[in-house]
Amino acid sequence: QQQVKQSPQSLIVQKGGISIINCAYENTAFDYFPWYQQFPGKGPALLIAIRPDVSEKKEGRFTISFNKSAKQFSLHIMDSQPGDSATYFCAASESGNTPLVFGKGTRLSVIA
Amino acid sequence: KAGVTQTPRYLIKTRGQQVTLSCSPISGHRSVSWYQQTPGQGLQFLFEYFSETQRNKGNFPGRFSGRQFSNSRSEMNVSTLELGDSALYLCASSPEQGGIGNSPLHFGNGTRLTVT
Repeated sequence: QQQVKQSPQSLIVQKGGISIINCAYENTAFDYFPWYQQFPGKGPALLIAIRPDVSEKKEGRFTISFNKSAKQFSLHIMDSQPGDSATYFCAASESGNTPLVFGKGTRLSVIA
Repeated sequence: KAGVTQTPRYLIKTRGQQVTLSCSPISGHRSVSWYQQTPGQGLQFLFEYFSETQRNKGNFPGRFSGRQFSNSRSEMNVSTLELGDSALYLCASSPEQGGIGNSPLHFGNGTRLTVT
């Protein structure tokens, strides 16, 4: 049973455009929602994270929007650049003693 | 600080063999988690070790095992390899329990295992 569903699987965006990746979760006990970015040949790296007590968090061109009632959260990449081309994973965990659960990933290609 | 180091980077094994992968965490990190990454399933949790004790285990068969040493270095072992075990195996370290807000996961670049 997949606990975090991520969409789309792949995304092509023009340079300067907005990239949007969505995730939905089922476990209402989840209270930490990070996004990881992975370049080919590298391991995932933490990009940005949010807790459910805020509806939005922004770091540079990256913004997480969180909708607790809908059990959804999304990553927005503003002014997308070719260097943003990577695979993005959303994830969720429950404080306490549970591991991080990942979505299946979105392969983003930003074309000039 | 040096990052998470995984060795070897690539491995080719035959069905039925066993394999051991190694992970050296970031200095000072006490938790090591292992994930299997495949194109179809994404990242799937294998297990987490903290201070030499397995704290969590994912839904993988008993052929997958691991351990952590007193210096926090970790190894994972897969016995009786199957074709479906071909994947990128990622190790991640964190200061405390892995993946929660004040203890984010720091991943290595993985070991690519191919089973023929």
